[in-house]
Parts: sequence; structure tokens; C-alpha cells
Amino acid sequence: AQSVTQLDSHVSVSEGTPVLLRCNYSSSYSPSLFWYVQHPNKGLQLLLKYTSAATLVKGINGFEAEFKKSETSFHLTKPSAHMSDAAEYFCVLRGSQGNLIFGKGTKLSVKP
Amino acid sequence: GAGVSQSPSNKVTEKGKDVELRCDPISGHTALYWYRQSLGQGLEFLIYFQGNSAPDKSGLPSDRFSAERTGGSVSTLTIQRTQQEDSAVYLCASSLPLDRGRRETQYFGPGTRLLVL
Repeated sequence: AQSVTQLDSHVSVSEGTPVLLRCNYSSSYSPSLFWYVQHPNKGLQLLLKYTSAATLVKGINGFEAEFKKSETSFHLTKPSAHMSDAAEYFCVLRGSQGNLIFGKGTKLSVKP
Repeated sequence: GAGVSQSPSNKVTEKGKDVELRCDPISGHTALYWYRQSLGQGLEFLIYFQGNSAPDKSGLPSDRFSAERTGGSVSTLTIQRTQQEDSAVYLCASSLPLDRGRRETQYFGPGTRLLVL
């Protein structure tokens, strides 16, 4: 079975400090993994994607994620949080039919 | 260029009524998906269209839900005899044709917020 687990429903950081949003996946085949961001009352925006090329993937707005097969993880990081990063983040696995399987989401709060 | 558009942006209806939600995909995108985002269930896949192939309806929660895609472009999601648990944000996404590795990125519309009273 394919599934995605986001380990934290809510993460709070101070502006300028690092961000770590954790994600683990389960897949019986080589996965395609994504991180999407959703700002309040806005649509889903693709941050980055992993499709079996480089294991360290760089995305928009300074975010990056590292695919670790041995740990079945795809954690999202950013060296320095900005107030505008406050949003909900979804770790996503592509299913066998092309549909997306979403994690429950992690709400990121950024304190001034 | 224009992104995925959805209409209406908000819809309030009474329990038992039928509703139709519309999605206009990005031009040239032959793959189209419907998802639902609700408080209790998170984001769930509903249905998938790829070109002229039969749609993958495996995510539809009940036979009250159906979707069409006319001319390979615009899609309509219909919910018959709406129930309060249908209240959610309905999201549409489109992508280029899926390659063998199914790696194409899906681009999402802003969603339709449905409230069933």
C-alpha cells in the first residue's frame, strides 16, 4: 500500500531560524514525491518534486528536500524562516494511477 | 499563461439539492484530476481523466458523485442529493500527459468551497 505520513501536525519556529518538516512514505515501487504549500485561502502551489534524479532537491523560496530511501523519508528544510513562509505544507506521493496521495499536512507558524 | 480555473469559487446549497462544479484546465493538459479537501479527511483523490480513456473513478465516495469531461477540456463534477458531509473544498488539477514514469507535475486550481446547510 502507498501512504504518506507527516510526523508533525504543527511546527512553530522563530523568524530567521531553520525549518524542518518531516515526512515518511511507504511505496512498493520507486516513488515520485512532492511538497506542496497552501497559504490561507489560496490554492496549492508546488514547492519541489523528486522523480528519481538527484536525491537533494531544491525548490522555490529557498526550500529543499532530501530523499532518503533507507529511511523512507523526504523531509523539507529551509535554513532561515521568513514570516511569509507561514502556511500549511503537504508531503505528497504519486499513486500508481497518477493520482496524488496527500499527507495530513503540517501547519508552519513563524514568530517574529 | 492562464492557470487552472474553477467556478464557482463558493457555493452554498441546501441538503438534498444537486450541485455542479466546473474546472477549466490549463490549455494542452490532457490529464485532469478532482480532489476534495475537508477538515476530517484531509486531501482525497476523487477522479482522474486522461485524454479519451475511461476515467479512473476509484476515489469517488458514493454514487451521488459523478464527473464528466467534454471535448477533452472542461470538466464538471456533479454531486446529487447533497449531504452535510459533502461540505469541503473541491480542487481540480491538470497536467501534461503522464509519461511512462508518471512524473508530470499537477497544477491546482483555487478550488470551490462548498457548504451544504
